[in-house]
Amino acid sequence: EVQLVESGGGLIQPGGSLRLSCAASGFTVSSNYMSWVRQAPGKGLEWVSGVNNGGKTYYADSVKGRFTISRDNYRNTMYLQMNSLRAEDTAVYYCAKLESSGYDFDFWGQGILVAVSS
Amino acid sequence: QAGLTQPPSVSMGLRQTATLTCTGNNNNVGSRGAAWLQQHPGLPPKLLFYRNTNRPPGSSERFSSSRSGNTASLTITGLQPEDDADYYCSAWDSSLSAWVFGGGTKLTVL
Repeated sequence: EVQLVESGGGLIQPGGSLRLSCAASGFTVSSNYMSWVRQAPGKGLEWVSGVNNGGKTYYADSVKGRFTISRDNYRNTMYLQMNSLRAEDTAVYYCAKLESSGYDFDFWGQGILVAVSS
Repeated sequence: QAGLTQPPSVSMGLRQTATLTCTGNNNNVGSRGAAWLQQHPGLPPKLLFYRNTNRPPGSSERFSSSRSGNTASLTITGLQPEDDADYYCSAWDSSLSAWVFGGGTKLTVL
């Protein structure tokens, strides 16, 4: 059974850093496309970052240069390092796996809240 | 990054049929198709369809999807109270090298 469990969220001051983790089970992270998607309070889904099965990374313009996606093949875990956090980064962050074509999100974690506020 | 276009809200009666739309362009919906996701309050999104018309195991057959040109459609027949939710479309955009979402449609079952 595919499971994705996010951790590492919380309250952080503007300008601060956080690292989110997404622990996967039931499949191999390095063999699949993976992504982070966020949802600000009361708003829609916003794609943040992705990594393909070859290790190529992708970023939304809104986070480029501030966020870094990575994965640990031994721990079967994906990460999102978030630096220079802003109030507008406040959201629930979801870890998502993509189906075999790499185009569509088929499994989602429960989400973790990141709140950026002084 | 430009997203996909969905109507913000749709309201239909119990046991009626609702059709939701998602409009993109030749670089996303028109080329590789779209996926449909359902989200209830406080829960993560759940995949309904991928690559336009592929249904994951366990997905209700009251849901169907199609695509015409740059517009994808999700049709829900025999509306039930549990269908009251937010629905999002998503697609890979080859010109942006990014995934894009629609703004979501709030479906209200009256």
